[in-house]
Amino acid sequence: AQSVTQPDIHITVSEGASLELRCNYSYGATPYLFWYVQSPGQGLQLLLKYFSGDTLVQGIKGFEAEFKRSQSSFNLRKPSVHWSDAAEYFCAVQGGADGLTFGKGTHLIIQP
Amino acid sequence: EPEVTQTPSHQVTQMGQEVILRCVPISNHLYFYWYRQILGQKVEFLVSFYNNEISEKSEIFDDQFSVERPDGSNFTLKIRSTKLEDSAMYFCASSPQGARSNQPQHFGDGTRLSIL
Repeated sequence: AQSVTQPDIHITVSEGASLELRCNYSYGATPYLFWYVQSPGQGLQLLLKYFSGDTLVQGIKGFEAEFKRSQSSFNLRKPSVHWSDAAEYFCAVQGGADGLTFGKGTHLIIQP
Repeated sequence: EPEVTQTPSHQVTQMGQEVILRCVPISNHLYFYWYRQILGQKVEFLVSFYNNEISEKSEIFDDQFSVERPDGSNFTLKIRSTKLEDSAMYFCASSPQGARSNQPQHFGDGTRLSIL
């Protein structure tokens, strides 16, 4: 069975500072990996995805993520956060099944 | 950009009643999904649907739940005899192809279901 761990429940970052959100997964083969963002009262918006190839993937809103097989990780990064980035961030994995397995999410707070 | 739309945005229902949540997937997508997010918890997969039948379902998706594509555009989730613990945000998603296809799932904004 596949699983996802997001070790940080809350992260507070100053506006303009860099950001890294951690994600570790468990799956026997190479998974498909995703980051979704959920603003308050909104649905899940896809930030980026990894299927194969280049392990550094670029997404929308200036986000990127790096797949590291040796560490079973897919951390999300942004060089300079904006107040509008405050939201809940979910890492998800898809193995051989239809359904995505999500982590518990990381709540990002942006300080002025 | 095409979107998955869900109605209603908020549904309040008395315990024991039946509720139908509606979704209009993106028009050229063939695979449809329902997920649930109980307040403060992670998003959980319920069911996937392809070619007018259930493709896969989780342990959560028991006999209380059913899905249907009643026409060419809508995809519905029916919950019979609702319980307090069914209170959650329900997300519909769709994708052009199924698992392992390089095509991500696109989510709607969700329906918040409150059982009283």
